[in-house]
Amino acid sequence: EAQVTQNPRYLITVTGKKLTVTCSQNMNHEYMSWYRQDPGLGLRQIYYSMNVEVTDKGDVPEGYKVSRKEKRNFPLILESPSPNQTSLYFCASSLSQRGGSYNEQFFGPGTRLTVL
Amino acid sequence: GQQVMQIPQYQHVQEGEDFTTYCNSSTTLSNIQWYKQRPGGHPVFLIQLVKSGEVKKQKRLTFQFGEAKKNSSLHITATQTTDVGTYFCAGQDFNKFYFGSGTKLNVKP
Repeated sequence: EAQVTQNPRYLITVTGKKLTVTCSQNMNHEYMSWYRQDPGLGLRQIYYSMNVEVTDKGDVPEGYKVSRKEKRNFPLILESPSPNQTSLYFCASSLSQRGGSYNEQFFGPGTRLTVL
Repeated sequence: GQQVMQIPQYQHVQEGEDFTTYCNSSTTLSNIQWYKQRPGGHPVFLIQLVKSGEVKKQKRLTFQFGEAKKNSSLHITATQTTDVGTYFCAGQDFNKFYFGSGTKLNVKP
């Protein structure tokens, strides 16, 4: 079954304790992305990756890191989480089209993170 | 910076009434995608519009992309309770996506 998986689904942590949220897709998609969703703000893009070893900042990258060593995986790293990173996080993947466009984004189930 | 504004924030309708949500971008977009998110769920793709002035229909849903590729709308005819959820537009600008803040639709039976 074609899917995007994220782990963990729920996480409560404390300020400053490094954490990683994993994301994996089995569709051989080139484009992968991380979003955070906060009430009233919609989804905001944190980082994206156009292919292996190619990553770039989205709209709200501060406090986050990513890596793309393999095509299927795109982990999100919070080196020193703070309470303002409490949010619902979604990973998404998409097939690239010619000309720089991307097809529909497939979203993972989400990770609800609380930083105390 | 780039922004995609979406209105209204909420819409409450009686079943059978129509519903429209609008998105407006501060810059020209490569394309625009529409998603639906049910409560507690993740965004699910509805459609992508690429061409200037494009109109696409999916049963009771009609999607439009403006001539200048800066605005878009989603219209639902004769809403049903199954239409409940939050509808988001997402504009692509180069390699980034900018989501609107969403319109939460509630349908009273």
